[in-house]
Amino acid sequence: QQPVQSPQAVILREGEDAVINCSSSKALYSVHWYRQKHGEAPVFLMILLKGGEQKGHDKISASFNEKKQQSSLYLTASQLSYSGTYFCGTEMETSYDKVIFGPGTSLSVIP
Amino acid sequence: EAEVAQSPRYKITEKSQAVAFWCDPISGHATLYWYRQILGQGPELLVQFQDESVVDDSQLPKDRFSAERLKGVDSTLKIQPAELGDSAMYLCASSFSGGESYEQYFGPGTRLTVT
Repeated sequence: QQPVQSPQAVILREGEDAVINCSSSKALYSVHWYRQKHGEAPVFLMILLKGGEQKGHDKISASFNEKKQQSSLYLTASQLSYSGTYFCGTEMETSYDKVIFGPGTSLSVIP
Repeated sequence: EAEVAQSPRYKITEKSQAVAFWCDPISGHATLYWYRQILGQGPELLVQFQDESVVDDSQLPKDRFSAERLKGVDSTLKIQPAELGDSAMYLCASSFSGGESYEQYFGPGTRLTVT
């Protein structure tokens, strides 16, 4: 039931773009995205709901392909502050409010 | 800004001892979650409360772990006896629950080391 994330890790230079993917074998109601910096708690980025629109704020956006049970997180013009581990969390149609987190994608932005 | 409170922040205990963690969610949040996070992995749900009721504890090792949220507000997670494999970060999160999907707010976590 745990979603699959790819890539496992990515290193970017400031200003470069990145895409992080999340996929599930189950029918999804929503996909959550969180970022966790080393030694800190996860921080919410956004939720994408089934039937909803692509979300985004600043230079981070995400999409949700309901037919494929896939979501992608897009980071454009990356900044040093984007470094951290990104987790997707999936919520199935059969269990609202229960979020299962993926293994995470480590993102490092270097000058 | 309201935050989820957890204590202690760090705990070192010997195996076979008992340990307890406390969480105070954001006021008004009906749903409370306890997660275990092993270094390099995503948070793993241990137990989920809706008010004072457990709605999911399928991944909670019930022979040694217990959790309660007696008045539907703060919550305690207990491990007895602790084992070496329990060393991890224990995260508490809360969310507003109203039939839709809401973001979870995480506390700072308790780092448990079992020796």
